[in-house]
Amino acid sequence: DTAVSQTPKYLVTQMGNDKSIKCEQNLGHDTMYWYKQDSKKFLKIMFSYNNKELIINETVPNRFSPKSPDKAHLNLHINSLELGDSAVYFCASSQDKGQGAPSYGYTFGSGTRLTVV
Amino acid sequence: QKEVEQDPGPLSVPEGAIVSLNCTYSNSAFQYFMWYRQYSRKGPELLMYTYSSGNKEDGRFTAQVDKSSKYISLFIRDSQPSDSATYLCAMIRMDSSYKLIFGSGTRLLVRP
Repeated sequence: DTAVSQTPKYLVTQMGNDKSIKCEQNLGHDTMYWYKQDSKKFLKIMFSYNNKELIINETVPNRFSPKSPDKAHLNLHINSLELGDSAVYFCASSQDKGQGAPSYGYTFGSGTRLTVV
Repeated sequence: QKEVEQDPGPLSVPEGAIVSLNCTYSNSAFQYFMWYRQYSRKGPELLMYTYSSGNKEDGRFTAQVDKSSKYISLFIRDSQPSDSATYLCAMIRMDSSYKLIFGSGTRLLVRP
């Protein structure tokens, strides 16, 4: 059973399109995240949700909109895709101690490789 | 200047060598420290998670934290070709953001 699963694994699309990436975790964790990994492998946080509530919203273009229908799911919708959006997007989850610090490390999905042409 | 600095490598060692990977950070608000391993085209996988200064051992892996110097290390003993991957340090800022911030990763190659 995959703990954090993302779909699709690969996504190739044209500039200007709108696309969504889905994430689900079966770990019972309270908090979920979206990270972006660029071509130099640098991982940067984009968003974080705790029990469906947005708690971290980094400086990300508002073309990116996360949605959490329940605490086990966190989706990412991207409008008007641009070439610079090409990257690998990782979903992750963690179990908080109640003060924001996780009781253990974050668990990551296997990533969605987005290519905008 | 990045909050977390990590040498990108690549680091190439022969099989059986002891590997030392390091990160430095600038903000005292970082309190929880992790090491992740990432194979090509896979997600990061947690190796070590520690809070205190000192050493934590798990099999061939030892994580070391020196909060006074703002320096963390990961040692791999008896390195194997299967250890070839990118190793990312990560740490959580214990201020209002509680963000997990990553280093840029060090690519390790263990030669048979």
